[in-house]
Amino acid sequence: QKEVEQNSGPLSVPEGAIASLNCTYSDRGSQSFFWYRQYSGKSPELIMSIYSNGDKEDGRFTAQLNKASQYVSLLIRDSQPSDSATYLCAVNTRANFNKFYFGSGTKLNVKP
Amino acid sequence: DTEVTQTPKHLVMGMTNKKSLKCEQHMGHRAMYWYKQKAKKPPELMFVYSYEKLSINESVPSRFSPECPNSSLLNLHLHALQPEDSALYLCASSHQTGGSGEQYFGPGTRLTVT
Repeated sequence: QKEVEQNSGPLSVPEGAIASLNCTYSDRGSQSFFWYRQYSGKSPELIMSIYSNGDKEDGRFTAQLNKASQYVSLLIRDSQPSDSATYLCAVNTRANFNKFYFGSGTKLNVKP
Repeated sequence: DTEVTQTPKHLVMGMTNKKSLKCEQHMGHRAMYWYKQKAKKPPELMFVYSYEKLSINESVPSRFSPECPNSSLLNLHLHALQPEDSALYLCASSHQTGGSGEQYFGPGTRLTVT
């Protein structure tokens, strides 16, 4: 069983719509959760971190964490073609906080 | 400033060459990482240094040799690589704050082994 799972996509949304990206994790000891955006040929860029249950908003991005369901999501409001990228979910745990477990990534296409 | 720098940006090397990748951060982070990333795959952890000591080696072949000369620098020495080692090599760093530290990536070195 993979530690972190994401739907590989592609997820296609029209410009201006809300894109919803989902991630589940298997280790209940997970304590920190991150979303990275990666454009083709570039390195991952940290866009959101979340550590406690609930929502965290930053501009057009909202991260949602539900530890009981072992689920973390990223909502992108007013999606733009420039948001088209692969979004990676990453998790680390209390047992080994130096190790970040990555999901396989979800490719998002925002159509003009 | 959340910048991690890596040199070179691109590297082409033969299977008998020896080369090094370099990484630098000035954020005061005490954990530094090497990842390997193949196309359409997530980053794959290779090594972690914590307070300049090697803390994680993910069973990486000995043709990859990491080095952490000080808290700001991380090197990856390459020797006798195989064509399948061609990939994007990413350096990253994070705070040592009990696990809540965010991890930042450098731009990567695109390595081609011929």
